[in-house]
Parts: sequence; structure tokens; C-alpha cells
Amino acid sequence: QSVLTQPPSVSGAPGQRVTISCTGSSSNIGAGYDVHWYQQLPGTAPKLLIYGNSNRPSGVPDRFSGSKSGTSASLAITGLQAEDEADYYCQSYDSSLSGSSVFGGGTKLTVL
Amino acid sequence: QLQLQESGPGLVKPSETLSLTCTVSGGSISSSSYYWGWIRQPPGKGLEWIGSIYYSGSTYYNPSLKSRVTISVDTSKNQFSLKLSSVTAADTAVYYCARQVTMVRGDNWFDPWGQGTLVTVSS
Repeated sequence: QSVLTQPPSVSGAPGQRVTISCTGSSSNIGAGYDVHWYQQLPGTAPKLLIYGNSNRPSGVPDRFSGSKSGTSASLAITGLQAEDEADYYCQSYDSSLSGSSVFGGGTKLTVL
Repeated sequence: QLQLQESGPGLVKPSETLSLTCTVSGGSISSSSYYWGWIRQPPGKGLEWIGSIYYSGSTYYNPSLKSRVTISVDTSKNQFSLKLSSVTAADTAVYYCARQVTMVRGDNWFDPWGQGTLVTVSS
């Protein structure tokens, strides 16, 4: 049972827009702590996709965007491409767990 | 650019201690504003943060693993290490090391990551 809740899977056709939600609580996202997103392509290490709720590291396409409201955050992917098929994880800081870094359970994105 | 590489035994016996080292290249482990973390991923499952260390030796651990985890740093070798004691099959996972960008309030994220190393706990 992950501290942050994500849907197990989402899917979309090429060119479409999909969103992945990440729901937390008053000790993490709801307390104002930032949400970060990672993309994990099959057989590879996770890669930082979004940091500080909505900031993209250099090299990440602007098709990827993040937002946060209340106790939840979302990752949006527009113009879906086949190479976007991957697992996506959200991460935040939790003040109730001795300052732990906490992850969502991950969402498998399938490009139809 | 900064790179991290995990190393250590790929097979550990139950009840023994898992030991891994992460070697940092392309930058100094003594940089301020950064912690250095360990994260693991059991086969087919999600990510779990294990713990983190600052170059000064200050550490903090996942409460669920705290009793079994020790993370140390060797600034002269630009390395940090993980020890996990009394392992069971449930500790079988890919273990990643990563640089942890840490802000004053506690916000932090991991970038970049090492490629990961699979550790299997089996007799």
C-alpha cells in the first residue's frame, strides 16, 4: 500500500492526451510539499520527468506537464507517442514519516 | 555529466547482510544541496526509498527499514554505501542509487539515477 495513490494503468491512442493522477494526504501533498514525476521505460532506471510540481528538466519535451491542487497532483501527456509507453511514478516528501521520501505505486501507460 | 554506478554481490543468502556501493563520477559527492539516496524496486513492483546520506555523514532512513539499514559515505573515493542486514526473500529487488536534490523545507527529488543492480536473496 503506497502512501501516494496512482491508477494502475491508463491508455490512449497516438496523438491523444492522457492524464495520470497522484493522490496524497495532509502530511505530504496536502501540506504543500512538491510532487515530482519519473518515467521508467522497460528495463531501464527511472528518469526525472517533472520536478517541483510543474518544472521540466532540460531535454524533456513540453508534451509533458505537471500540476498540483490540494492533496492531488497530475501528470499530463499530450500528442501521445509510442515511445511514451512506460511506467510513471509520482514522489513527494512526507512529514509524518520521519521526513521520508514517498512514491506512488506507479501507473503503466499503454499506447494503443 | 554526473553518473552513478552501483556495484556489489548479485546473490545474498537469507539472514546475511546485503552490501552495495555507489560510485559517483563527473562530480563531487561533497557538493552542498545534495543528499545521496538508495531506492529499491522488487521485481514487477513499485519504487521504495531506503535512505539517504549527506557528505558530512548525516543520514535519514525509511522508518520501515531503519532497524536494518546503514548508509555510509567515503568522500575520498566519491562513494557511498548501503548495508541491509538480516535479509529475506522480500528484499530481492533492483537497487538504485541516485543524487537527491534537497530543499530547505524538505522537498526533494532524485536525479540522476544509476542503472540499478539486481540483488537476489536466496540460499
